[in-house]
Amino acid sequence: AQSVTQLGSHVSVSEGALVLLRCNYSSSVPPYLFWYVQYPNQGLQLLLKYTSAATLVKGINGFEAEFKKSETSFHLTKPSAHMSDAAEYFCAVSGGGADGLTFGKGTHLIIQP
Amino acid sequence: KAGVTQTPRYLIKTRGQQVTLSCSPISGHRSVSWYQQTPGQGLQFLFEYFSETQRNKGNFPGRFSGRQFSNSRSEMNVSTLELGDSALYLCASSLGQGRDTGELFFGEGSRLTVL
Repeated sequence: AQSVTQLGSHVSVSEGALVLLRCNYSSSVPPYLFWYVQYPNQGLQLLLKYTSAATLVKGINGFEAEFKKSETSFHLTKPSAHMSDAAEYFCAVSGGGADGLTFGKGTHLIIQP
Repeated sequence: KAGVTQTPRYLIKTRGQQVTLSCSPISGHRSVSWYQQTPGQGLQFLFEYFSETQRNKGNFPGRFSGRQFSNSRSEMNVSTLELGDSALYLCASSLGQGRDTGELFFGEGSRLTVL
């Protein structure tokens, strides 16, 4: 079984400030982890993924995430927020088997001017 | 190259009816997955098809079914619609299957409203 918990359904930051979106996972096998972004009325777009290589993963649009096995976490960060980052962000885990990707509930990122 | 195409984008049905949604994956992709997105439950995995065979299935009732054709296009069907089936249905394609799918490419979804 696998699960994902995203802390904070809404996160608000000022433009230019650090973005930190939290994700904790549970998996019975070494996981593959993903962050996706969804803009209004659109599908999901992959930001980055961890598949057991480097623990610090760099993605598109300046985002990165660090896999911490001891903390079962995969938090998403961006040093400086931009207005265009306002969107819904989903963390997902794949533990193999027949469950497909398991998504968190999502975090709505709000950027204050 | 063209992305994942889902049709129709919006549709309204009444309780008891059935609906068929279509998904055309990215050219060359052989795996198609379906997800249901609702405000209350979030994103939930419905099923995955690879080479015309259902490989994985989520925890949904038998009213939800799907199939994949030889050209990798996929359809999903929901019979005897209930109000709770109102959702955004997302299709995603990828080169591989299951855990090794790598990146999933999502379509814009089909928004179903059941009245």
